[in-house]
Amino acid sequence: GQNIDQPTEMTATEGAIVQINCTYQTSGFNGLFWYQQHAGEAPTFLSYNVLDGLEEKGRFSSFLSRSKGYSYLLLKELQMKDSASYLCAVREGQNFVFGPGTRLSVLP
Amino acid sequence: ETGVTQTPRHLVMGMTNKKSLKCEQHLGHNAMYWYKQSAKKPLELMFVYNFKEQTENNSVPSRFSPECPNSSHLFLHLHTLQPEDSALYLCASSQARDILSYNSPLHFGNGTRLTVT
Repeated sequence: GQNIDQPTEMTATEGAIVQINCTYQTSGFNGLFWYQQHAGEAPTFLSYNVLDGLEEKGRFSSFLSRSKGYSYLLLKELQMKDSASYLCAVREGQNFVFGPGTRLSVLP
Repeated sequence: ETGVTQTPRHLVMGMTNKKSLKCEQHLGHNAMYWYKQSAKKPLELMFVYNFKEQTENNSVPSRFSPECPNSSHLFLHLHTLQPEDSALYLCASSQARDILSYNSPLHFGNGTRLTVT
């Protein structure tokens, strides 16, 4: 079966660093995607990993370990606008399977 | 502007009504998707179309009927819905031609907030 897990909620302070974890067990794997979704808005693409290792994009980095079925999204220098839900998704061919999302609250 | 446009943004309908959701993508993608997003649940895949052909029906009740007349347009026809169908319905598009295009992410529309009374 397919199973993707993320923590439900996280809280962090402005300026800090936060790591959001994602574990997955899927029948296929063609890459792992992270999305950001602000309340009432569409999810927007943040990062993509298909090979093991770290991908860095400005304040955001994403890591993948295929052997462990594990990924994390690292957010540095947190800003208030980073308060949102973060969705982990595994691509299987043309299909995308999403985790439950992690709601991040950034406090002043 | 997300490149994927959904209408209407909000819809309230009774259980005996018939309505349709519309989605249009301007990104030149070949695959289009309907997802359902309910409170405190993961995004649920409903339907996938690739080059206008339906390639995935994720055990969706027949009261939801998709239509894809071309690679840029996708509809979701609704009839005799139930209150538990109230949710945010998200349309998305992606490139899915072959394994070389698998780094192409989903691009979402802003969704239709559906309330069934």
